[in-house]
Amino acid sequence: NAGVTQTPKFQVLKTGQSMTLQCAQDMNHNSMYWYRQDPGMGLRLIYYSASEGTTDKGEVPNGYNVSRLNKREFSLRLESAAPSQTSVYFCASRVLQGNEKLFFGSGTQLSVL
Amino acid sequence: KNEVEQSPQNLTAQEGEFITINCSYSVGISALHWLQQHPGGGIVSLFMLSSGKKKHGRLIATINIQEKHSSLHITASHPRDSAVYICAVSRGAQKLVFGQGTRLTINP
Repeated sequence: NAGVTQTPKFQVLKTGQSMTLQCAQDMNHNSMYWYRQDPGMGLRLIYYSASEGTTDKGEVPNGYNVSRLNKREFSLRLESAAPSQTSVYFCASRVLQGNEKLFFGSGTQLSVL
Repeated sequence: KNEVEQSPQNLTAQEGEFITINCSYSVGISALHWLQQHPGGGIVSLFMLSSGKKKHGRLIATINIQEKHSSLHITASHPRDSAVYICAVSRGAQKLVFGQGTRLTINP
C-alpha cells in the first residue's frame, strides 16, 4: 500500500519545454488535487478532480492542464514551461466519507530556466 | 486578510519546551487539518479535527468551533520536531484552504 506516488522527484526544464507530472493513489479515493508550493505563499491549488473523468480549476490554473483518466491517476501537464512555474508541486488525495484524511505525494521540485 | 491565519510564523525553542502553534479561520468549515512538513520533505497529515481534542504521542490538537480557532501543542519538544506545521481547513467537499505555515526549530 504505497499511498500517493508522485514522479518525478526533480526536474529541470528549459523555457518552452513540456512535461507531465504523474500521480497515482492506491486508496480508491475519489478526490485528487495538484498544488504548488512557493516560499511565503503556502500551498495553492492548481486543479482538482472530484471523481474519475471530472476536473476543475483551482486558484492558479493558467499554464497547466490535467487529466484524470481513471480513479487511480491524476496527471499535471505543463505544455510550455515558464520560469514562473519554478516551484515544488504536490499531488494529494482525500477521503471525505467518515474520518476525513489527506494524503500527499512526496513532491516534485521543478526548475524552469 | 487570509481565510486561514497561523501564528507565529516562526518559532524557535529549546529541547523540552512546551510548544503551541495557533490557527484562526474566518469561514465556516467542515474539518480542520494539521500537517507536518520536514525540510526538503513531503507533507504528512497529523490530525483531522471537527470538534474537541485529539492526542497522538506528544502531539495534541484542539479546536474551538465557536471561536474559529485551533491549536497544535507539542509536549517535551525534541529537535526532530523541527518542521513546518501547516493548518488547513475544509470548506465543503472540494475546497481546502491552507495557512502559510509555522516554521518550528527546536534546538538541542
